[in-house]
Amino acid sequence: GQNIDQPTEMTATEGAIVQINCTYQTSGFNGLFWYQQHAGEAPTFLSYNVLDGLEEKGRFSSFLSRSKGYSYLLLKELQMKDSASYLCAVREVGAGSYQLTFGKGTKLSVIP
Amino acid sequence: DVKVTQSSRYLVKRTGEKVFLECVQDMDHENMFWYRQDPGLGLRLIYFSYDVKMKEKGDIPEGYSVSREKKERFSLILESASTNQTSMYLCASSSPWAEYEQYFGPGTRLTVT
Repeated sequence: GQNIDQPTEMTATEGAIVQINCTYQTSGFNGLFWYQQHAGEAPTFLSYNVLDGLEEKGRFSSFLSRSKGYSYLLLKELQMKDSASYLCAVREVGAGSYQLTFGKGTKLSVIP
Repeated sequence: DVKVTQSSRYLVKRTGEKVFLECVQDMDHENMFWYRQDPGLGLRLIYFSYDVKMKEKGDIPEGYSVSREKKERFSLILESASTNQTSMYLCASSSPWAEYEQYFGPGTRLTVT
């Protein structure tokens, strides 16, 4: 089984940088995903980490430390359109390894 | 681009009705999933399928069943709808060739009265 924790809500200012943390406990880690979900819309894929380190993709970066069971999503140069929920999801090794278990999501509000 | 479509965006049904939610993907993905999403509870997996005619229970299968007769189509069935099944239902698909990244449909907001 898995336990995934992320903050429920965060607020940040337009133009700033925000870091959304995710901690997880799993018996067999096999990848971590970040998704963005605007209100009333479907989640969309942002990033994937399976090895330790930082993955950068434009204004968004995602970091993973497998030994600490920890990841973060870093959003730079925040824009109003970044107001959304950000979902952390973990994949486990083994049967059903194509399954993802999602955290409850972090609702980010970007203010002027 | 991967496209996952769901039969309805909004649906209102009465308690006790049998409800069918349809999902179709156009990328020949092996895996398909049904989730429900509720405030404060996040995305919870109801059922998934890794091949035609194959299905596996997720975390909350009670009150639901599924059908996958063709690779591109995955149906969620509420045998006898109840008010606690009022929720947003999301379908997703994935492939081993894309690290199992899941692509989601637009969702169906189901209200059971």
